[in-house]
Formats: sequence, C-alpha cells, structure tokens
Amino acid sequence: EIVMTQSPVTLSVSPGQSAIVSCRASQSIGRELAWYQQRPGQAPRLLIYAASTRATGIPARFSGGGSGTEFTLAISSLQSGDFGVYYCQQYYYWYSFGQGTKLEIK
Amino acid sequence: EVQLVVSGGGFLQPGGSLRLSCAASGFTFSSYFMSWLRQTPEKGLEWLANIKQDGSAQTYADAVKGRCTISRHNAADFVFLQINNLRAEDSAVYYCVRASGSPSGVYFDSWGQGTLVTVSS
Repeated sequence: EIVMTQSPVTLSVSPGQSAIVSCRASQSIGRELAWYQQRPGQAPRLLIYAASTRATGIPARFSGGGSGTEFTLAISSLQSGDFGVYYCQQYYYWYSFGQGTKLEIK
Repeated sequence: EVQLVVSGGGFLQPGGSLRLSCAASGFTFSSYFMSWLRQTPEKGLEWLANIKQDGSAQTYADAVKGRCTISRHNAADFVFLQINNLRAEDSAVYYCVRASGSPSGVYFDSWGQGTLVTVSS
C-alpha cells in the first residue's frame, strides 16, 4: 500500500495571501497524483491531476508541482471559497488519499 | 453539466446488504470509467471499486473484495454498488464518481452528492 502523508494538518491563512500544501508518497508514484478540495458539507472537487494539470474550470491561482515522492499544491490570492479541506490522491498503484489539510481563515 | 445522483443508503443492519444506484447525466456515460468511494472521519476518503466503460472489467479494494459488486447499465446511464454482509465499519458517506485517466490508474473528476449509510443494530 502506498501511504500518502500531507502537511501541515491545519493551515491558517488570511484572505489575499498564499498557501502551500505538501504531500509525500511512501514510494515513487511518478506524476500520478491528484488534488481535491472539499468544502464543508460538499463532495470533493478535482483541482489538479497528473501532478500539475488543472482540471476544467479551475483558476490559475491553483498550481500543482512535484514528482516522485514529493508534491505541492499552491494557492495564491486566497478567497473565501478556497477555505476547506484539501486532499492528495495517488493513482500509480491502486488508490490512496492523504489524510487532508484543513485550510482555515486566519 | 455532469450530474451524479445517488439513491439508496440509510440505516441498515449488520449482516444485511447495501444497494446504491447512481443516475448519471450531462456526459457520455458509456465513455467513462465509473467508481464508488466512501468517506468517514476515522479513515478519510477510501476508494472501493471501479468499472470499465463497457462493464467488462471491475476492480475492488481489499476492504470490500468478495462482498462487493459494482455494475452498470449503459443504456440507462446507471451505475450500481452492492455490498453484502455489512459491518459497522461500512458506515460512511458513499460517493458515486466519474473517473478519468487510463486503465492502469484513474483520478476522480466528478463526484455525486454522497449518501450516508449507517450500519447498526
């Protein structure tokens, strides 16, 4: 099983500022990584796939990077709708998710 | 607009069976892998099963393998999930999800609203 570990667990950021979420895989997964956003009471929404490709309709403020075992999701100019929980997911070998990073308003 | 509407779920007894239906619309259903995932506060997001576009192949997570069947009806744009011999740890919010990527690995690009399943006596 490939274990995905996200950091930090909680991130407090002011609107207008930037945030970076990290995700580490327990073994190399190439670039087969996706990022999701989940707002309270809603289903997850795909943001990024193939480590850095934005999904349809996702603004350029969201950017993904990394390969192998280390990945990042960067969000610039944070808006109120950006606050929620972010998950990484690998699809290199079966499927597993990180435990989530809660992005909260500072 | 992609829509995935789940029906089924609710309160179920241990040892019983769960059958969820998902009605898809807004896309060419027969062109996509479909998946089921679930979420709990304790375990987080958990992939359960995938089914190929034509229904010819299914894959399952170890947690449900042998108890779970995913199926689809392309003529009516439905995907189904059945889990038998329910346990308390099957209690979760269940999601119907459209998947994209390749047969070797998919990501989950559109999610339904989720349905709560509680397994308890």
